[in-house]
Amino acid sequence: EADIYQTPRYLVIGTGKKITLECSQTMGHDKMYWYQQDPGMELHLIHYSYGVNSTEKGDLSSESTVSRIRTEHFPLTLESARPSHTSQYLCASSRQGGFNYGYTFGSGTRLTVV
Amino acid sequence: TQLLEQSPQFLSIQEGENLTVYCNSSSVFSSLQWYRQEPGEGPVLLVTVVTGGEVKKLKRLTFQFGDARKDSSLHITAAQPGDTGLYLCAGVKAAGNKLTFGGGTRVLVKP
Repeated sequence: EADIYQTPRYLVIGTGKKITLECSQTMGHDKMYWYQQDPGMELHLIHYSYGVNSTEKGDLSSESTVSRIRTEHFPLTLESARPSHTSQYLCASSRQGGFNYGYTFGSGTRLTVV
Repeated sequence: TQLLEQSPQFLSIQEGENLTVYCNSSSVFSSLQWYRQEPGEGPVLLVTVVTGGEVKKLKRLTFQFGDARKDSSLHITAAQPGDTGLYLCAGVKAAGNKLTFGGGTRVLVKP
């Protein structure tokens, strides 16, 4: 049973549409992350949050935005989708403190912009 | 240049063979983690190693953290088709708790 949920699993939308990718976790983790990954390739951190009302940009520049109004919820929004945004988006969370806590990942959202 | 370099990038072997995947860096890490990712899913944590020279075993998988905490290896004994997947190493540096991922090694175990 998954403790971190991403919806939708798959999304095909037209260029210029606004989309929000949902991510929720039930573990009470303070830290949450969004990664972008092309199939079979490395993960690129695009956003992270260390708690409510805290958001930071990651290592890879992204036109998306995030919000963290509740501990359990970390949605990602694209105001105007483009074909270059086609990718898999993975949400993850981890416990606060220490450096040996692993990340728990969701199953991802596979986004295709046509 | 990636902070964590994984090799090889791709490995195809027959069922029953052994394999080793390497994760190398010029930087020191407080801990290194290994994940396995199957197509269409998110990565799943396999193990965390935190002490230089540490060896951990998970059934047929053996993980080692280098003495200087700059590198790690994953060895699979008698590989099975169920071991097929993308293996990712990820490190945490002492200054923070953000993981840095390597580029991954795709492993294909043929029956």
